[in-house]
Amino acid sequence: SAVISQKPSRDICQRGTSLTIQCQVDSQVTMMFWYRQQPGQSLTLIATANQGSEATYESGFVIDKFPISRPNLTFSTLTVSNLSPEDSSIYLCSVGTVNSPLHFGNGTRLTVT
Amino acid sequence: SQQGEEDPQALSIQEGENATMNCSYKTSINNLQWYRQNSGRGLVHLILIRSNEREKHSGRLRVTLDTSKKSSSLLITASRAADTASYFCATDSSGADGLTFGKGTHLIIQP
Repeated sequence: SAVISQKPSRDICQRGTSLTIQCQVDSQVTMMFWYRQQPGQSLTLIATANQGSEATYESGFVIDKFPISRPNLTFSTLTVSNLSPEDSSIYLCSVGTVNSPLHFGNGTRLTVT
Repeated sequence: SQQGEEDPQALSIQEGENATMNCSYKTSINNLQWYRQNSGRGLVHLILIRSNEREKHSGRLRVTLDTSKKSSSLLITASRAADTASYFCATDSSGADGLTFGKGTHLIIQP
């Protein structure tokens, strides 16, 4: 199974700044996903990071707020831009397909002050 | 909107007892998965059951799937303190690449 390294593990950021989260996988994977988990809530899919093309965003998420890079088959970044307290969440990257188990990174806990 | 809805939202039982969590979903699926999350960390995959399967076992875990009722249950037998975690069901939904997660059940095992 894939081993996923996600960093930072946590950060405290000021309102109006941005945070970039990195996700590194120990093997080449086709699909990488970014999820958000708001406090006490379930996971919501933000977008699918596609290698060589733009990310596919879910309803309610836009590229200007959550730009994603996927330069190769083992790495992706998610940036959360123009931070507000409502962005305080855990952000998780995962790899896999919907027909097989997803493997998750340990998440990035973001607190916006 | 969430595809999966777990109940109960929270469950507290004594160590050694069995814990049952339920999940309902709305649209047709190809498979349903259960995940565990400890203390806000990454999720760990527990079990995947395909739409043509009715029951699946893995160690102390037993998952059932009733596609006619669009529901699934996760049974953890002989619970241990280490089973304390949040449990989520997740389904593949048409048109989405990623899984859709339910709201989760927070399970507390009292020693």
